[in-house]
Amino acid sequence: NAGVMQNPRHLVRRRGQEARLRCSPMKGHSHVYWYRQLPEEGLKFMVYLQKENIIDESGMPKERFSAEFPKEGPSILRIQQVVRGDSAAYFCASSPPQRRAAKNIQYFGAGTRLSVL
Amino acid sequence: AQSVTQLGSHVSVSEGALVLLRCNYSSSVPPYLFWYVQYPNQGLQLLLKYTSAATLVKGINGFEAEFKKSETSFHLTKPSAHMSDAAEYFCAVTSWGDDKIIFGKGTRLHILP
Repeated sequence: NAGVMQNPRHLVRRRGQEARLRCSPMKGHSHVYWYRQLPEEGLKFMVYLQKENIIDESGMPKERFSAEFPKEGPSILRIQQVVRGDSAAYFCASSPPQRRAAKNIQYFGAGTRLSVL
Repeated sequence: AQSVTQLGSHVSVSEGALVLLRCNYSSSVPPYLFWYVQYPNQGLQLLLKYTSAATLVKGINGFEAEFKKSETSFHLTKPSAHMSDAAEYFCAVTSWGDDKIIFGKGTRLHILP
């Protein structure tokens, strides 16, 4: 019973390049959440998606960041024209179809550690 | 708005000693509270959760936490620390009807032999 799968585990990009982070939720889960963890900080909510829909993107930076969760395939967090400040660990979590976070535990992946040179 | 404050970014205890990690929350609605643990280079694993039932919540690995509304606290305890407990611990809050979880900055627990 595979958990939340994120890849790559480590990603190195030069300033100005694009970063694509992938997240495959647990089997049967249709809700995906992305969080960012900066050094010495807790996780900060970025975006909440269901299949083909962005439900809440209140934590996403207004520029360069986008997320999708297509009907088929993993959820993608895309960062265009990366800058050094984007260096962080990006975590994906998933939960079952019932919508409320308090009822549905979010199961976390191992994260993607992005380093921008 | 909700928030979580974890007191002490680093806590050291001796093996076999009591573990106490402090968490205070702020919430204008009844909160749901969580403790997560993160081992190096891994994702977050749920230790325990409070969702308005019993105020003393037991979790995995011998951890427990007590919800105290009067003190707006949800401290995590374990009677006897093991070396394997060394990790980072996050307190988090949400509420019914909210999809996002608000995390504290974390407390790194060090176990001394």
